[in-house]
Amino acid sequence: DAGVIQSPRHEVTEMGQEVTLRCKPISGHDYLFWYRQTMMRGLELLIYFNNNVPIDDSGMPEDRFSAKMPNASFSTLKIQPSEPRDSAVYFCASRRQSGLEETQYFGPGTRLLVL
Amino acid sequence: AQSVTQLDSHVSVSEGTPVLLRCNYSSSYSPSLFWYVQHPNKGLQLLLKYTSAATLVKGINGFEAEFKKSETSFHLTKPSAHMSDAAEYFCVVSLEYGNKLVFGAGTILRVKS
Repeated sequence: DAGVIQSPRHEVTEMGQEVTLRCKPISGHDYLFWYRQTMMRGLELLIYFNNNVPIDDSGMPEDRFSAKMPNASFSTLKIQPSEPRDSAVYFCASRRQSGLEETQYFGPGTRLLVL
Repeated sequence: AQSVTQLDSHVSVSEGTPVLLRCNYSSSYSPSLFWYVQHPNKGLQLLLKYTSAATLVKGINGFEAEFKKSETSFHLTKPSAHMSDAAEYFCVVSLEYGNKLVFGAGTILRVKS
């Protein structure tokens, strides 16, 4: 299995630009999660989907952030317009809904720098 | 509320000596607990997990952890540290059947040659 795939791995952009992060979950997984990691706040859950439907977006910082999952194998996290304080590592994770299985599997992350 | 406390922000050991990374949790029920490792500029990799079966859990790369309900602890150990173990380690409690993970602040492990 290829694991969770994220692109791009690194992104440098200027304040005010739109940023789109992409994620391909592990095949057969029903849940997809977006996290943000910063030195100050650690790892934070932004939003998660079940069967392509957003279930909890209470962690999304503000309206500049949006996430979609048009099909079971693809999700995007968009920031528009981006700000320097959005600089962080963004992780995507997925898991399978199967009995007591609760393990989330993480992608390699996208390192975002907003200048 | 459920929470996780990693008692040490940094741990330094010599290669070949034992590793102990401490984690305490608070939960109103018997939780699922995980340890993840993050190497520099990499994603999070699952080391091991406890899900109410055996209290001593063995993971990858020689790591293991013991769930102690009486002490609300889930400490991570390894008998002999290797240079490649240098990384940041996160203790995690799972809520809502795996849909919400509460992460500890992390422990950075340094391994000296």
